[in-house]
Amino acid sequence: QQPVQSPQAVILREGEDAVINCSSSKALYSVHWYRQKHGEAPVFLMILLKGGEQKGHEKISASFNEKKQQSSLYLTASQLSYSGTYFCGTEAGGTSYGKLTFGQGTILTVHP
Amino acid sequence: DAGVIQSPRHEVTEMGQEVTLRCKPISGHDYLFWYRQTMMRGLELLIYFNNNVPIDDSGMPEDRFSAKMPNASFSTLKIQPSEPRDSAVYFCASSLGSGNTIYFGEGSWLTVV
Repeated sequence: QQPVQSPQAVILREGEDAVINCSSSKALYSVHWYRQKHGEAPVFLMILLKGGEQKGHEKISASFNEKKQQSSLYLTASQLSYSGTYFCGTEAGGTSYGKLTFGQGTILTVHP
Repeated sequence: DAGVIQSPRHEVTEMGQEVTLRCKPISGHDYLFWYRQTMMRGLELLIYFNNNVPIDDSGMPEDRFSAKMPNASFSTLKIQPSEPRDSAVYFCASSLGSGNTIYFGEGSWLTVV
């Protein structure tokens, strides 16, 4: 089952903040976040394992609510380089260990 | 360190022809994934292997698609015969397993005319 991302698209001015959400109907073991620029491969941002931890990477951080099977990606003080499509990938437990299923993506555009 | 290596990077072929895409995963990675990306369907998992064994091929669209992993350092995705609707970017990716980062290759851009 594919996770659901929201919103589908976000338009920001430099310096503004954004939140991208990812939810699943399955119990999750891990959530992965990637950013993809046009014509390139997805690039890894961060991974969150079950346990509800929050991670940070410069001005990009994420949280994982295991009970709600939801994750959120927080982008603060956005820069032009943040533009791209953001994907969450979810890994369920049980027989699906190791298998990553991606959401439909959120297109983020940052303007000067 | 070399990342995931895919070939060819770009291929244009005629409908009905056989297409073979190749992938070399990162050394030591036990998991290998084949994804397909299109505007309409997004990033779809086609098949993945663990220790060279196919674990889940439920995403393979139809019998025209087949994938093999004869050894730990090589995998192929074959389409025979190819159709225009197969036009997409095919990504190979690898990881150490559950809870670990999945690294993507640069993709194979396939156009079937």
